Formats: sequence, C-alpha cells, structure tokens
Amino acid sequence: AQSVTQLDSHVSVSEGTPVLLRCNYSSSYSPSLFWYVQHPNKGLQLLLKYTSAATLVKGINGFEAEFKKSETSFHLTKPSAHMSDAAEYFCVVIAGMDTGRRALTFGSGTRLQVQP
Amino acid sequence: DGGITQSPKYLFRKEGQNVTLSCEQNLNHDAMYWYRQDPGQGLRLIYYSQIVNDFQKGDIAEGYSVSREKKESFPLTVTSAQKNPTAFYLCASSISPPRTEAFFGQGTRLTVV
Repeated sequence: AQSVTQLDSHVSVSEGTPVLLRCNYSSSYSPSLFWYVQHPNKGLQLLLKYTSAATLVKGINGFEAEFKKSETSFHLTKPSAHMSDAAEYFCVVIAGMDTGRRALTFGSGTRLQVQP
Repeated sequence: DGGITQSPKYLFRKEGQNVTLSCEQNLNHDAMYWYRQDPGQGLRLIYYSQIVNDFQKGDIAEGYSVSREKKESFPLTVTSAQKNPTAFYLCASSISPPRTEAFFGQGTRLTVV
C-alpha cells in the first residue's frame, strides 16, 4: 500500500524568508511524486514532479523538491517566500506499475501563510 | 486550449435530491477521477476510471455513482443516499496507467439547502 504524510498542517513564514514543506511517503514500489498547489476555491495546479529522473526537481514559481529514497522524503522548498505563495500545498504519490491501485494518493495538505 | 471543464461551479441541492456534476476533458486522457474535498482535509477518492465503460470505487464511493460512456466525459451523480454531500468536488484526468501528473478541473462546490 502507498501513503503520504505531510508533517505540518500549517506553516507560517515571513515574506522573503525560506519555505520548507515536509512530505514523507510510503510505497512498496518505485513511486512517482508530485507537489500541487491550491488557491482558495480553485483546482489544483502542478508545481513539480519526480518520475525517477534527477532527484532534485525544479518547478514553477521558484519551488524545488529533492527526492531522498533513503529517507523516503520529498520536501518542498523555496529560497524566498512571496505573498502570492500563500495557499494549500499537497504532496501526492503514485505507486509503481505493479500495484493494483492505479490512482493518486494525496497527503492531507499544508496550509502556507506568508506574513508581510 | 486543452483542459478539464467542470460545471457548474456552484450547485445547491435540496434534501433527497439527486444531482449530477459534469466533468469534460479534451486532453485525450484515458483515466479520469473524482475527488471530494472537505474543509481542512485532503482529497479523498470517490471513483476512478481507467478506460471507457469501466470504473472502480475509490475510498468513499457510498452515495455516489458515475458513468463513463465517452472518453471525454465522466459525470458524477450525488444521490440522496449520500448523507453529507456538502463539499468541494474535483475532477481530474491523466494518462493511463498514471505515471505522470494528473490535470484538475476548477471544482464544483455543492451545498445542501
């Protein structure tokens, strides 16, 4: 079975300071991992994805994430927060091809607040 | 432009009514999904379909039904058996099997009045 744990339900940072949103996954097979962002009453937008290529993945809006197999982690970072980054962020895993379940598994989300 | 269209954006349902949420995609994706989102919670899978005329229950299928008669369309019916239907509903699609990202619609907010 696959699962995703987002370690913080809320994160608050000041504008211009670094952002760290933590995600740990569990998967019996080689996973694909994603970070999505959701602004209020909107759909989800893909920030970045890891699909077994480079372990350091760069996404949109200055975000990046590093896949660490030994730590089963896929933390999302950004060097300098902007007010427009305030949103809900979801870590998502898809298990490998060999599993019977062919759908995305979502973490519970992290709400990022950015203080002026 | 390619994408996923959900309609309506807002929907109000009376007690005991069935309502149908529309989801259409022009991305030529085989797989489509319905998720439910409640305040402060993540997304929970209701139903998914990997191919036309086939679909599987997700984690919270009770009180919901779907059909997949066309590749482009995956409507969700919220039946009167769903005891707490007020939520934000998101439709998504991806290639099948899903090894890369899913694309999401803008969501439908359903409220029971």
